[in-house]
Amino acid sequence: DIQMTQSPSLLSASVGDRVTINCKASQNINKYLNWYQQKLGEAPKLLIYNTNNLQTGIPSRFSGSGSGTDYTLTISSLQPEDFGTYFCFQHNSWPDTFGAGTKLELK
Amino acid sequence: QVQLQQSGAELVKPGTSVKLSCKASGYTFTSNHMNWIKQTTGQGLEWIGIINPGSGGTSYNVKFKGKATLTVDKSSSTAFMQLSSLTPEDSAVYYCARNMGPDYWGQGVMVTVSS
Repeated sequence: DIQMTQSPSLLSASVGDRVTINCKASQNINKYLNWYQQKLGEAPKLLIYNTNNLQTGIPSRFSGSGSGTDYTLTISSLQPEDFGTYFCFQHNSWPDTFGAGTKLELK
Repeated sequence: QVQLQQSGAELVKPGTSVKLSCKASGYTFTSNHMNWIKQTTGQGLEWIGIINPGSGGTSYNVKFKGKATLTVDKSSSTAFMQLSSLTPEDSAVYYCARNMGPDYWGQGVMVTVSS
């Protein structure tokens, strides 16, 4: 199975900050990397698919980059509604696997 | 709009089975794969498997083979997951989610296994 190592596990930031979350795969995942946001009691919501494609309806302050084994989610200017937990997810090869999550909290 | 409506919470006894449902609407059911995903506090998010509603073809995470069985009813645009021989370790929130590289998710269903 492909292991997804996500960092940091906890991120404290302020409104307006630029934040980055990283995900490292144990092998090349050919850019089949998605990013999800989850708020307490809700299902995950797709933000970015296949490394750098913004899902419909997601604000442009979210962006993704990467290749091979290393991927990054960037939020250019943090908004109050952005706090929650973020997960990376690879769907290059079965079984699909998730990162352990990054909890983004208000500093 | 795409919607995935999952069945309600379940409280079940160890050793029994449970069948969860996920009714799809707002798109052509047979045109998109359906995933099932488990979420617990301890293990995080785990991909259980995927089914092609058009063909019925499935792929399972080895960890869940023998535990989960995925099926569909095309006439009602509903996907199902049966979980068998339940133990407390199967207590979790289970999601259905559309597409390879899931885009739309159901609201989740909490399954509690307890005597």
